[in-house]
Amino acid sequence: GQNIDQPTEMTATEGAIVQINCTYQTSGFNGLFWYQQHAGEAPTFLSYNVLDGLEEKGRFSSFLSRSKGYSYLLLKELQMKDSASYLCAVKGSNTGKLIFGQGTTLQVKP
Amino acid sequence: NAGVTQTPKFRILKIGQSMTLQCTQDMNHNYMYWYRQDPGMGLKLIYYSVGAGITDKGEVPNGYNVSRSTTEDFPLRLELAAPSQTSVYFCASCQGGTDTQYFGPGTRLTVL
Repeated sequence: GQNIDQPTEMTATEGAIVQINCTYQTSGFNGLFWYQQHAGEAPTFLSYNVLDGLEEKGRFSSFLSRSKGYSYLLLKELQMKDSASYLCAVKGSNTGKLIFGQGTTLQVKP
Repeated sequence: NAGVTQTPKFRILKIGQSMTLQCTQDMNHNYMYWYRQDPGMGLKLIYYSVGAGITDKGEVPNGYNVSRSTTEDFPLRLELAAPSQTSVYFCASCQGGTDTQYFGPGTRLTVL
């Protein structure tokens, strides 16, 4: 079967660092995506990993270990506007189909 | 570029009614997708298309139909609306199978 797990909710303080984990079991692997989704809005692309290691993009970094079926999204210097859901998604085949986890709702408090 | 556009933004249907959700992209993307998102959940793939004239089922295709007569448009048809189809529907597109998908703003559908 295909399964993607991530925590349902997390809370962090403004200015802090938070790590959102994602584990996956899929029949194929062609990359892992992180999307941000504010309430009532569409998902927007944050990062993409296809090889093992860390990808850094400003305050956001994403890590992938294919052998462990594991990824995390690291958010630094948290801001109130980072309060959103963060969706982990795996592309399992060349047809581009994404398999999504249920999303992690992050609440940033002052 | 408008990107991916969807109409309508909101719709209320009665059980048994039918409707078409429209999706258009102006990026000349080959691949297009329809997802549904239930409250507090991730997105589930309904149907997808890898090019004009080609469509295939995703995880949850029952109760829906699609067509892809042009590169730009990928409408989703609900024939006999049921309360279980109450959800937010997102259309997405990308150039190739390994590329990033870009999402439209969504259609919020309620079936009563």
